[in-house]
Amino acid sequence: DGGITQSPKYLFRKEGQNVTLSCEQNLNHDAMYWYRQDPGQGLRLIYYSQIVNDFQKGDIAEGYSVSREKKESFPLTVTSAQKNPTAFYLCASGGQGLYGYTFGSGTRLTVV
Amino acid sequence: QKEVEQDPGPLSVPEGAIVSLNCTYSNSAFQYFMWYRQYSRKGPELLMYTYSSGNKEDGRFTAQVDKSSKYISLFIRDSQPSDSATYLCAMSVRGGGSNYKLTFGKGTLLTVNP
Repeated sequence: DGGITQSPKYLFRKEGQNVTLSCEQNLNHDAMYWYRQDPGQGLRLIYYSQIVNDFQKGDIAEGYSVSREKKESFPLTVTSAQKNPTAFYLCASGGQGLYGYTFGSGTRLTVV
Repeated sequence: QKEVEQDPGPLSVPEGAIVSLNCTYSNSAFQYFMWYRQYSRKGPELLMYTYSSGNKEDGRFTAQVDKSSKYISLFIRDSQPSDSATYLCAMSVRGGGSNYKLTFGKGTLLTVNP
């Protein structure tokens, strides 16, 4: 089945640590996206990539980094510079317009 | 003014009720309109999409778009407890290349009580 796989489902990070969230898709989509979701704030765009080896900052990129070395993969690193990283992180990929994005099942990151 | 406005609710209705969820938008360049359903601790899933003014029906769900008023709605008939979720509206405009950028509403939390 085609889809997007995010791992892990739950992740715990100690303060000062970097962590990497995985996102893999087999939908052959060019574009991939990372969103952060907090209660009452909707989806906020962190980074997006429209093609391999290219990515752009979204609205809240500070404290995050990404890479896009393969079409299928778009990992997100939450660095120690991100002051409030506890949130639900969603990865998505998109074809063209009419069909919107396909989302993964999310990773819940908690700082302990 | 935000590009997409959506009443966050929460909205609580009895089973069998007709539910109306709404979004307004300010960007007349939006071309495609979608509704996503998100269950608790899950990723959003595409429920309905449309690109023209008017109604589109799929089972108990009807999506309505009024481009002249910049207003979209999702109606749920004979609502069920399994419809309890957060509903997000989304709209897209062409971004760079052949890809379209989505703008999301903040979502409306719906609870259908048995």
